[in-house]
Amino acid sequence: SQQGEEDPQALSIQEGENATMNCSYKTSINNLQWYRQNSGRGLVHLILIRSNEREKHSGRLRVTLDTSKKSSSLLITASRAADTASYFCALNSGTYKYIFGTGTRLKVLA
Amino acid sequence: DAGITQSPRHKVTETGTPVTLRCHQTENHRYMYWYRQDPGHGLRLIHYSYGVKDTDKGEVSDGYSVSRSKTEDFLLTLESATSSQTSVYFCAMGQGAVTGELFFGEGSRLTVL
Repeated sequence: SQQGEEDPQALSIQEGENATMNCSYKTSINNLQWYRQNSGRGLVHLILIRSNEREKHSGRLRVTLDTSKKSSSLLITASRAADTASYFCALNSGTYKYIFGTGTRLKVLA
Repeated sequence: DAGITQSPRHKVTETGTPVTLRCHQTENHRYMYWYRQDPGHGLRLIHYSYGVKDTDKGEVSDGYSVSRSKTEDFLLTLESATSSQTSVYFCAMGQGAVTGELFFGEGSRLTVL
């Protein structure tokens, strides 16, 4: 399966702390994306990193990509209670298909 | 917000009955997708479309069929629903690998008794 594997499955932190979640995969990719899903809602795109990029930033989000290790990490700095959600990585291998990981459930305690 | 809606949002049906879920978009996006989301499995791709009348299978296509007769509508059909198809179904749209971003609907929760 091409599905990404996310680690940890669940994460609980205090407000103000940083949250890091990881995505590992097995195939070569064109780009990797991160999505957020609030409970009972659809997924929302957060950030995209291409295979020739190593790091990208967007606000409090920092994404890294290591294609040699086939892994990516999403860092959320200075977390807030509103960041409580599930986070998914999505792999694109240059076709029309986007394969999602299993997700990390983040809980930020106020 | 992103111009993509799913209907129905909730449905309860019995084993063996046909079910059709509809995805409608107003953004003229070329690509559309159906995923199912189950605990422990994340999102799994059922079918996708890369244009009108152009569709292909995803990871978990058995028991499902799709149709796309016009750009704005992508239908997912369960010909004979089974309890294993109880799930939350998400439709998504996108412009393709170049821009990368997918826009999701709010989901359709299907329960097969």
